[in-house]
Order: sequence, then structure tokens, then C-alpha cells
Amino acid sequence: QVQLQQWGAGLLKPSETLSLTCAVQGGSFNTYYWSWLRQSPGKGLEWIGENTHRGYTNYNPSLKSRVTISGDTSKNQFSLKLNSVTAADTAVYYCATGSYYFDYWGQGTLVTVSS
Amino acid sequence: DIQMTQSPSSLSASVGDRVTITCRASQSISSYLNWYQQKPGKAPKLLINAVSTLQSGVPSRFSGSGSGTDFALTISSLQPEDFATYYCQQSYGTPRTFGQGTKVEVK
Repeated sequence: QVQLQQWGAGLLKPSETLSLTCAVQGGSFNTYYWSWLRQSPGKGLEWIGENTHRGYTNYNPSLKSRVTISGDTSKNQFSLKLNSVTAADTAVYYCATGSYYFDYWGQGTLVTVSS
Repeated sequence: DIQMTQSPSSLSASVGDRVTITCRASQSISSYLNWYQQKPGKAPKLLINAVSTLQSGVPSRFSGSGSGTDFALTISSLQPEDFATYYCQQSYGTPRTFGQGTKVEVK
């Protein structure tokens, strides 16, 4: 059974960098697409982007200039960095496996951006 | 971006009711349509992928149908554990996009 455990800072100031990490336990890490999504009351569920162990990345154009998704196959972990955050980036952030659909999810991390 | 529109936004139903949620895409997405269930404070759970393929462990009272732009999720006999919010998601193109959700509440 695949389990995803995520962590990272939950309170940021405007202009800071959001950084979250997700550890994949069980399954074969190298066979998955790794994705990040977020959910806020105002924008609902939003796909941020994806990466694979081969380094292929694909980002939501609305966030592309500020996002990096990377993986560490030696640790079975992948990470999200979002630069220059504003209040509009306040949301619950989820890591997930999959590309066409998202079958395993992390527990979610509430990230609040406030001065 | 492909826009996904669900209806209704919320509905009230009783245990044993048949419930249908619809999802419309702004363009044809063939059969690239998935459904999720989300309960408060929890991550979404994948129920169905590719219109009608039930995930392992998902009860057979859940079913999906449709193609092109119009899709539906049906719960044949609503159970207490089914009160939740449901989302559709298209995987025809990127960015992947979701419907705004349908909240199924107790009548």
C-alpha cells in the first residue's frame, strides 16, 4: 500500500518561498508521476504540476514562472517550491501520485501567507 | 484551460436515495474524466477513473457514465458514509482541472 507523508512550513510572509516535501512509502517510486495540487475556498482544487524520476516536468501555466517540482530518488521524496508567495497562495497543499488521475494523496498541509 | 462545471453545487438526500451528479466539460474530453470523494479535513479520494472504472475497494453502488462533454456520477443507494463532496476532474489535457464540487448533504 502506497502512503504519502508530507511536511513543510505552514506560515509564510509575502514574498517568501513556499517549500514542501513529500515522502513516498511502499510501491515503486520510480514508476510514478509525482504531482502537487492545492485547494482553497476561492479557487477550489488546482493542479500545480508534476514531475517524474526521469526529470520530466509539467507545470500549470498560471504558476509556471514561480514553481519548481523536483525529486530525490535516493530518499523516495519529492518537493515543491513556490517563489514570491502572496495571500492568494494561501491554501491546503497536497502531494499525490499520478498524472492522468491522482490515486494516492498526502494528508495535506495548510499554508497561510500573511504579513 | 478546459473548464469543468458540476451541477448541482449541493443537494440534500436521504439514505437509500439514488443520487446523480453531472459534470460538463467546456470542450470534448473523450473519456478522460475522473471522480473523487472528499470528506471534511481529508484529502480527496479517487473513486472512478476513465469515466467508469471503479477503483479497488469502491462500492459497486457508485457508477460513472458519459463521453465527450457530459458525464455523470451515480450513487444507486446512498449510504451514511457517502455524505461528502464530490469532484470531477479532466485528464484530457494540461493543466488538469476540476469541477467546483457537489456537496451531498443529509436531508
